[in-house]
Amino acid sequence: SQTIHQWPATLVQPVGSPLSLECTVEGTSNPNLYWYRQAAGRGLQLLFYSVGIGQISSEVPQNLSASRPQDRQFILSSKKLLLSDSGFYLCAWNTGTGGYEQYFGPGTRLTVT
Amino acid sequence: DQQVKQNSPSLSVQEGRISILNCDYTNSMFDYFLWYKKYPAEGPTFLISISSIKDKNEDGRFTVFLNKSAKHLSLHIVPSQPGDSAVYFCAASDSNYQLIWGAGTKLIIKP
Repeated sequence: SQTIHQWPATLVQPVGSPLSLECTVEGTSNPNLYWYRQAAGRGLQLLFYSVGIGQISSEVPQNLSASRPQDRQFILSSKKLLLSDSGFYLCAWNTGTGGYEQYFGPGTRLTVT
Repeated sequence: DQQVKQNSPSLSVQEGRISILNCDYTNSMFDYFLWYKKYPAEGPTFLISISSIKDKNEDGRFTVFLNKSAKHLSLHIVPSQPGDSAVYFCAASDSNYQLIWGAGTKLIIKP
């Protein structure tokens, strides 16, 4: 069966510090991968998605970036965090063969102080 | 522009009664709709979905209804149980398989 991992679960970082969040998927090949952010009391905002290694599409202009160095690894990064980057970050995957359902990891709570 | 709207931020329902969560959309190109359930500090979990060629899909206590002419869908939970207390998200997709999300409705089941 497929499993998606995210870490860390919780992170407190000062403004201006770098960020690296990692997501890995097990039990599937060539998945579509997604990074979302949920701000407090808001819905899910799609940040990035990837249909393959090295292929990243950005949905929202911001100081975040994403990379996909391996088929089942998706990384969210920032060089300098802003206060507005605080939120709950979620990684998700679905099959690369046209499935609509996305499956989510446990999320990372990021607080920028 | 909000293409998927959940106009009720919260809903309180007595245990054992029916919970009805609503969702409206504006894009007539959406062809697949999904409901997710989310507990605090966890990722959303897929609950039930419906294709635009159907008007109803049922899975146990959960039924989703789609009214394409009104661009409206609803999730019915019968009977409601305490474990159903969570935030419910409606999402819609067009042919590129990306999901557009509503803001969520917090469902509270009262004992």
